[in-house]
Amino acid sequence: AQSVSQHNHHVILSEAASLELGCNYSYGGTVNLFWYVQYPGQHLQLLLKYFSGDPLVKGIKGFEAEFIKSKFSFNLRKPSVQWSDTAEYFCAVTPYGGSQGNLIFGKGTKLSVKP
Amino acid sequence: EAGVTQFPSHSVIEKGQTVTLRCDPISGHDNLYWYRRVMGKEIKFLLHFVKESKQDESGMPNNRFLAERTGGTYSTLKVQPAELEDSGVYFCASSHGGSQQLLYTDTQYFGPGTRLTVL
Repeated sequence: AQSVSQHNHHVILSEAASLELGCNYSYGGTVNLFWYVQYPGQHLQLLLKYFSGDPLVKGIKGFEAEFIKSKFSFNLRKPSVQWSDTAEYFCAVTPYGGSQGNLIFGKGTKLSVKP
Repeated sequence: EAGVTQFPSHSVIEKGQTVTLRCDPISGHDNLYWYRRVMGKEIKFLLHFVKESKQDESGMPNNRFLAERTGGTYSTLKVQPAELEDSGVYFCASSHGGSQQLLYTDTQYFGPGTRLTVL
């Protein structure tokens, strides 16, 4: 079955530190890739998505992610985090074929940024 | 534009009782999805409506769960009778829809979730 792995359960950083959250998926075919974020007390919202073209995708709030097909990875990065980035981050995929756009999520990574 | 709304935000019930969750998608969105997150686990797909039709209900745990979307607008998810393992956060999401291609690339907009606790 298709699955998504997020390597870190909880990441603690100081402000201005660089961030990289790992995401790997298991599916041999074409996928679309997403990062969602849930700020405390708020809805899940889309940070960025990839479905074709340039494998380096830029999203909101200075986040970016790189799709590396050979590694089945879609890691999320931000050069300098802020306290306001404290949230839970979810990687998700929709594999072409066999599903109707249903998102397959990883377990999420909680990010705590210390001021 | 109003976002996806869900009601109630929290529900605490006893094992064996019935609970009905409601989701109002963004107006004009044909696709409506239900997901669930059990504590400590990943968010998992439950089912997908296109307008009023169930497109995929492969994620529904068992026949104690019944989802409807009468008229292709809001949706309800009923759990009857509830069991302890049904506790979790139930999310609803909607997307605009249109072509088959868009199913895979369209952004899904999530509601705030309903936290269900079964005692």
